Amino acid sequence: GAVVSQHPSRVICKSGTSVKIECRSLDFQATTMFWYRQFPKQSLMLMATSNEGSKATYEQGVEKDKFLINHASLTLSTLTVTSAHPEDSSFYICSARSQHLMGFTDTQYFGPGTRLTVL
Amino acid sequence: AQSVTQPDIHITVSEGASLELRCNYSYGATPYLFWYVQSPGQGLQLLLKYFSGDTLVQGIKGFEAEFKRSQSSFNLRKPSVHWSDAAEYFCAVGGVGGSNYKLTFGKGTLLTVNP
Repeated sequence: GAVVSQHPSRVICKSGTSVKIECRSLDFQATTMFWYRQFPKQSLMLMATSNEGSKATYEQGVEKDKFLINHASLTLSTLTVTSAHPEDSSFYICSARSQHLMGFTDTQYFGPGTRLTVL
Repeated sequence: AQSVTQPDIHITVSEGASLELRCNYSYGATPYLFWYVQSPGQGLQLLLKYFSGDTLVQGIKGFEAEFKRSQSSFNLRKPSVHWSDAAEYFCAVGGVGGSNYKLTFGKGTLLTVNP
Protein backbone atom coordinates (compact mmCIF):
# COMPACT_ATOMS: atom_id res chain seq x y z
CA GLY A 1 0.00 0.00 0.00
CA ALA A 2 0.83 3.73 0.01
CA VAL A 3 2.06 3.94 -3.56
CA VAL A 4 2.63 7.25 -5.27
CA SER A 5 3.27 7.55 -8.99
CA GLN A 6 4.65 10.38 -11.09
CA HIS A 7 4.39 10.98 -14.80
CA PRO A 8 6.46 11.47 -16.81
CA SER A 9 9.64 10.03 -15.32
CA ARG A 10 11.77 12.05 -17.71
CA VAL A 11 11.02 15.03 -19.90
CA ILE A 12 13.14 17.15 -22.18
CA CYS A 13 11.72 20.40 -23.46
CA LYS A 14 12.79 23.56 -25.22
CA SER A 15 13.30 26.80 -23.37
CA GLY A 16 10.08 28.83 -23.19
CA THR A 17 7.70 25.89 -23.26
CA SER A 18 5.58 24.60 -20.39
CA VAL A 19 5.76 21.17 -18.83
CA LYS A 20 3.18 19.40 -16.69
CA ILE A 21 4.09 16.75 -14.14
CA GLU A 22 1.43 14.56 -12.56
CA CYS A 23 1.51 13.06 -9.09
CA ARG A 24 -1.00 10.38 -8.14
CA SER A 25 -1.66 8.49 -4.93
CA LEU A 26 -2.67 5.06 -6.21
CA ASP A 27 -4.15 3.33 -3.21
CA PHE A 28 -5.05 6.05 -0.76
CA GLN A 29 -6.60 9.48 -0.74
CA ALA A 30 -4.36 12.41 -0.03
CA THR A 31 -5.82 15.76 0.91
CA THR A 32 -2.28 17.12 0.98
CA MET A 33 0.53 16.58 -1.46
CA PHE A 34 3.94 18.18 -1.56
CA TRP A 35 6.29 19.16 -4.34
CA TYR A 36 10.03 19.07 -3.84
CA ARG A 37 12.98 19.94 -5.96
CA GLN A 38 16.30 18.17 -5.67
CA PHE A 39 19.57 19.35 -7.13
CA PRO A 40 22.36 16.86 -7.84
CA LYS A 41 23.90 15.42 -4.70
CA GLN A 42 21.72 17.62 -2.50
CA SER A 43 18.76 17.20 -0.21
CA LEU A 44 15.15 17.85 -1.02
CA MET A 45 13.87 21.39 -1.05
CA LEU A 46 10.17 21.84 -0.39
CA MET A 47 8.62 24.02 -3.07
CA ALA A 48 4.96 24.01 -2.16
CA THR A 49 2.16 22.28 -0.32
CA SER A 50 -0.79 21.28 -2.43
CA ASN A 51 -4.19 21.02 -0.77
CA GLU A 52 -7.16 19.44 -2.49
CA GLY A 53 -9.72 22.02 -3.46
CA SER A 54 -7.71 25.05 -2.44
CA LYS A 55 -4.75 27.10 -3.51
CA ALA A 56 -1.29 25.76 -2.97
CA THR A 57 0.99 27.22 -0.34
CA TYR A 58 4.39 28.13 -1.69
CA GLU A 59 7.63 28.24 0.22
CA GLN A 60 9.54 31.46 0.39
CA GLY A 61 11.46 32.18 -2.77
CA VAL A 62 9.40 29.90 -5.00
CA GLU A 63 7.68 31.71 -7.86
CA LYS A 64 4.01 30.75 -7.79
CA ASP A 65 3.44 32.06 -11.31
CA LYS A 66 6.20 29.89 -12.65
CA PHE A 67 5.35 26.71 -10.79
CA LEU A 68 1.60 26.26 -11.07
CA ILE A 69 0.09 23.65 -8.82
CA ASN A 70 -3.37 22.15 -9.10
CA HIS A 71 -4.82 19.59 -6.74
CA ALA A 72 -8.02 18.71 -8.51
CA SER A 73 -8.87 15.52 -6.68
CA LEU A 74 -7.92 13.51 -3.63
CA THR A 75 -5.54 11.40 -5.70
CA LEU A 76 -4.04 13.84 -8.21
CA SER A 77 -1.85 16.90 -8.03
CA THR A 78 -0.12 18.51 -10.98
CA LEU A 79 2.89 20.78 -11.20
CA THR A 80 3.23 22.89 -14.33
CA VAL A 81 6.55 24.56 -14.99
CA THR A 82 5.65 27.54 -17.16
CA SER A 83 8.02 29.16 -19.63
CA ALA A 84 10.75 26.77 -18.61
CA HIS A 85 14.38 27.84 -18.72
CA PRO A 86 17.57 25.82 -18.40
CA GLU A 87 17.90 26.79 -14.74
CA ASP A 88 14.62 24.98 -14.09
CA SER A 89 16.28 21.71 -15.01
CA SER A 90 16.13 19.54 -11.93
CA PHE A 91 14.69 16.44 -10.32
CA TYR A 92 11.16 17.08 -9.12
CA ILE A 93 9.65 14.77 -6.52
CA CYS A 94 6.16 14.74 -5.14
CA SER A 95 4.85 13.18 -1.97
CA ALA A 96 1.39 12.43 -0.67
CA ARG A 97 0.40 12.73 2.93
CA SER A 98 -1.27 9.71 4.46
CA GLN A 99 -3.08 10.33 7.70
CA HIS A 100 -4.56 7.73 9.96
CA LEU A 101 -6.08 9.62 12.80
CA MET A 102 -7.10 6.57 14.78
CA GLY A 103 -3.60 5.22 14.60
CA PHE A 104 -2.23 8.70 14.97
CA THR A 105 0.30 8.40 12.23
CA ASP A 106 1.16 10.96 9.62
CA THR A 107 3.50 9.91 6.86
CA GLN A 108 4.59 11.24 3.50
CA TYR A 109 5.00 8.71 0.71
CA PHE A 110 7.11 9.76 -2.22
CA GLY A 111 6.80 9.35 -5.93
CA PRO A 112 9.70 8.13 -8.08
CA GLY A 113 10.55 11.62 -9.31
CA THR A 114 10.62 13.40 -12.66
CA ARG A 115 13.85 14.45 -14.33
CA LEU A 116 13.28 17.72 -16.20
CA THR A 117 15.84 18.92 -18.71
CA VAL A 118 15.30 22.26 -20.39
CA LEU A 119 17.38 22.87 -23.47
CA ALA B 1 12.49 26.26 13.52
CA GLN B 2 13.04 22.59 12.97
CA SER B 3 16.29 21.28 11.55
CA VAL B 4 18.10 18.02 10.92
CA THR B 5 21.81 17.37 10.91
CA GLN B 6 23.39 14.32 9.34
CA PRO B 7 27.05 14.72 10.27
CA ASP B 8 28.38 12.14 7.82
CA ILE B 9 28.22 13.08 4.15
CA HIS B 10 29.68 9.79 2.94
CA ILE B 11 30.23 6.46 4.68
CA THR B 12 31.92 3.39 3.28
CA VAL B 13 31.48 -0.03 4.84
CA SER B 14 32.28 -3.56 3.82
CA GLU B 15 29.52 -5.96 3.01
CA GLY B 16 28.51 -7.85 6.13
CA ALA B 17 29.74 -5.13 8.47
CA SER B 18 27.47 -3.27 10.83
CA LEU B 19 26.21 0.21 10.03
CA GLU B 20 25.17 3.25 11.99
CA LEU B 21 24.05 6.48 10.33
CA ARG B 22 23.77 9.47 12.59
CA CYS B 23 20.93 11.96 12.74
CA ASN B 24 20.43 14.85 15.14
CA TYR B 25 17.36 17.02 15.10
CA SER B 26 16.07 20.24 16.52
CA TYR B 27 12.35 20.53 17.16
CA GLY B 28 10.28 22.42 19.67
CA ALA B 29 7.92 19.63 20.62
CA THR B 30 7.72 15.88 20.35
CA PRO B 31 8.93 15.17 16.85
CA TYR B 32 7.87 12.75 14.23
CA LEU B 33 11.08 11.22 12.86
CA PHE B 34 11.68 9.40 9.62
CA TRP B 35 14.42 7.68 7.69
CA TYR B 36 14.12 7.48 3.92
CA VAL B 37 16.40 5.84 1.38
CA GLN B 38 16.96 7.01 -2.18
CA SER B 39 18.60 5.00 -4.93
CA PRO B 40 20.16 6.95 -7.83
CA GLY B 41 17.53 8.59 -10.00
CA GLN B 42 14.71 7.35 -7.84
CA GLY B 43 12.24 8.76 -5.35
CA LEU B 44 12.42 8.22 -1.60
CA GLN B 45 11.39 5.02 0.09
CA LEU B 46 10.31 5.07 3.72
CA LEU B 47 12.51 2.84 5.87
CA LEU B 48 10.97 3.52 9.26
CA LYS B 49 9.30 6.15 11.38
CA TYR B 50 8.92 7.13 15.00
CA PHE B 51 5.83 8.80 16.40
CA SER B 52 5.61 7.66 20.01
CA GLY B 53 5.98 4.65 22.26
CA ASP B 54 8.89 2.28 22.05
CA THR B 55 11.99 4.28 21.26
CA LEU B 56 13.51 1.47 19.23
CA VAL B 57 11.68 1.16 15.95
CA GLN B 58 12.03 -1.56 13.37
CA GLY B 59 11.83 -0.86 9.69
CA ILE B 60 12.07 -2.59 6.37
CA LYS B 61 15.17 -4.30 4.98
CA GLY B 62 16.49 -5.11 8.45
CA PHE B 63 16.98 -1.50 9.54
CA GLU B 64 16.21 -0.15 12.97
CA ALA B 65 16.51 3.25 14.61
CA GLU B 66 16.56 4.45 18.18
CA PHE B 67 15.02 7.70 19.36
CA LYS B 68 17.02 9.31 22.17
CA ARG B 69 15.29 12.42 23.39
CA SER B 70 18.14 13.43 25.72
CA GLN B 71 20.55 13.46 22.80
CA SER B 72 18.06 14.72 20.18
CA SER B 73 19.16 11.82 18.03
CA PHE B 74 17.55 9.23 15.80
CA ASN B 75 20.38 7.05 14.51
CA LEU B 76 19.79 4.37 11.92
CA ARG B 77 21.41 0.96 12.33
CA LYS B 78 21.75 -2.31 10.52
CA PRO B 79 23.71 -5.26 11.92
CA SER B 80 24.91 -6.60 8.57
CA VAL B 81 25.01 -4.50 5.43
CA HIS B 82 24.22 -5.92 2.00
CA TRP B 83 25.59 -4.58 -1.27
CA SER B 84 22.05 -3.57 -2.23
CA ASP B 85 21.96 -1.15 0.69
CA ALA B 86 24.25 1.25 -1.17
CA ALA B 87 22.18 4.41 -1.58
CA GLU B 88 21.57 7.87 -0.13
CA TYR B 89 19.89 7.98 3.27
CA PHE B 90 17.87 10.92 4.50
CA CYS B 91 16.69 11.63 8.03
CA ALA B 92 13.65 13.88 8.36
CA VAL B 93 11.70 15.53 11.17
CA GLY B 94 8.13 16.77 11.19
CA GLY B 95 5.21 17.42 13.44
CA VAL B 96 1.47 17.07 13.64
CA GLY B 97 -1.22 19.37 12.43
CA GLY B 98 -1.21 22.87 11.01
CA SER B 99 1.97 23.60 9.13
CA ASN B 100 3.97 21.35 11.39
CA TYR B 101 3.45 18.32 9.23
CA LYS B 102 6.02 19.65 6.79
CA LEU B 103 9.14 17.55 6.74
CA THR B 104 12.58 18.99 7.14
CA PHE B 105 15.29 16.80 5.66
CA GLY B 106 18.91 16.43 6.51
CA LYS B 107 21.46 16.76 3.74
CA GLY B 108 21.75 13.01 3.41
CA THR B 109 24.44 10.38 3.91
CA LEU B 110 25.73 8.49 0.93
CA LEU B 111 26.46 4.88 1.75
CA THR B 112 28.98 2.92 -0.28
CA VAL B 113 29.29 -0.82 0.28
CA ASN B 114 32.53 -2.54 -0.61
CA PRO B 115 32.44 -6.22 -1.56
